[in-house]
Amino acid sequence: GQNIDQPTEMTATEGAIVQINCTYQTSGFNGLFWYQQHAGEAPTFLSYNVLDGLEEKGRFSSFLSRSKGYSYLLLKELQMKDSASYLCAVRRVAAGNKLTFGGGTRVLVKP
Amino acid sequence: DGGITQSPKYLFRKEGQNVTLSCEQNLNHDAMYWYRQDPGQGLRLIYYSQIVNDFQKGDIAEGYSVSREKKESFPLTVTSAQKNPTAFYLCASSTQGPDTQYFGPGTRLTVL
Repeated sequence: GQNIDQPTEMTATEGAIVQINCTYQTSGFNGLFWYQQHAGEAPTFLSYNVLDGLEEKGRFSSFLSRSKGYSYLLLKELQMKDSASYLCAVRRVAAGNKLTFGGGTRVLVKP
Repeated sequence: DGGITQSPKYLFRKEGQNVTLSCEQNLNHDAMYWYRQDPGQGLRLIYYSQIVNDFQKGDIAEGYSVSREKKESFPLTVTSAQKNPTAFYLCASSTQGPDTQYFGPGTRLTVL
């Protein structure tokens, strides 16, 4: 089976930085995805890591360490609209393109 | 406009009734997926299909059924056998290879 763990909730101030951690235990790792989901809406794709290292996309960055089974999503220069849930999802080689999702981290940005 | 559509956005049904949720995509994607999301939870895979006329059970398939007669369409039926059907249902699609999944807007089903 798979275990994917993320904190349930985080609070941060507008303009600050927040780091959302995701740890996973799985065999045949084949990529990790981060999605953003506003309340009542569909998840939207943020980033994808399959090799170790940092991927940067504007204010958002995602990091992966396969040996540690660890990823984080870094949100910089937080804006009020970044208040949402952030979902970590893992894909396995033997499972086609199926994803297994963590429980999501709800981020609340305060003024 | 290319995308994934789900209808309706909100659906109410009486207990014991079957209900079918629609999912259509015009992205020319081979693979389609159905997920269920409960309040404050992540997504759980119900069924998926990698090609027309073929589909496989996901992690929580009991009480659900699907069909894939056309590439564009992957309807999900929530049967009366599903013990706790009230949830937010999300459909996604991707190309057949290891590609990003893109989600539709979701259908919130409430069983009274």
